[in-house]
Amino acid sequence: AQKVTQAQTEISVVEKEDVTLDCVYETRDTTYYLFWYKQPPSGELVFLIRRNSFDEQNEISGRYSWNFQKSTSSFNFTITASQVVDSAVYFCALRYTDKLIFGTGTRLQVFP
Amino acid sequence: DAGITQSPRHKVTETGTPVTLRCHQTENHRYMYWYRQDPGHGLRLIHYSYGVKDTDKGEVSDGYSVSRSKTEDFLLTLESATSSQTSVYFCAISAQTGSSYNEQFFGPGTRLTVL
Repeated sequence: AQKVTQAQTEISVVEKEDVTLDCVYETRDTTYYLFWYKQPPSGELVFLIRRNSFDEQNEISGRYSWNFQKSTSSFNFTITASQVVDSAVYFCALRYTDKLIFGTGTRLQVFP
Repeated sequence: DAGITQSPRHKVTETGTPVTLRCHQTENHRYMYWYRQDPGHGLRLIHYSYGVKDTDKGEVSDGYSVSRSKTEDFLLTLESATSSQTSVYFCAISAQTGSSYNEQFFGPGTRLTVL
């Protein structure tokens, strides 16, 4: 079965702290894609990153970094030096045939 | 900006009435999707389309139907709305090319309340 688990329902941090959002996936496919999306309080869904199963290199984009580990079926997302604008719900997703399966999301609150 | 609009953006309706939500895209993408978002459930797929008149069911399709008569429009219909269908509905497109699966881009959402 295809499944995405985001065990952290809500995380609160103070500005400038580093924070890691966990994502664990299950799939029988040997080739697959993983995604992260951000949903700020305004409600829109913003694409952050796509990773395919062939590429286990970690990705860094500014304060954001992603750690993909096939051995543990995890695709974790770290925000370094968090800011209030990072407050949002973050979703991890797994491609299954032509569809995406989403985790239930992690709500991140960054306090000044 | 993936050129996706949804209408209406907000709707309040009564139990038992039919409701149609529209998703419109401007870039001729083949794949279109309808999701609903509810607290504690994340986003769940209702129906999707892989071309004009080609649609398939998702995880939570009961009580919903869809139609796609033109590439740019994907309609979601609640034949007889129930309170359990109160939700935020998102449309998405995927710019899939050949065997490469690209990310999905989402519309702004429609907040539907069924009283």
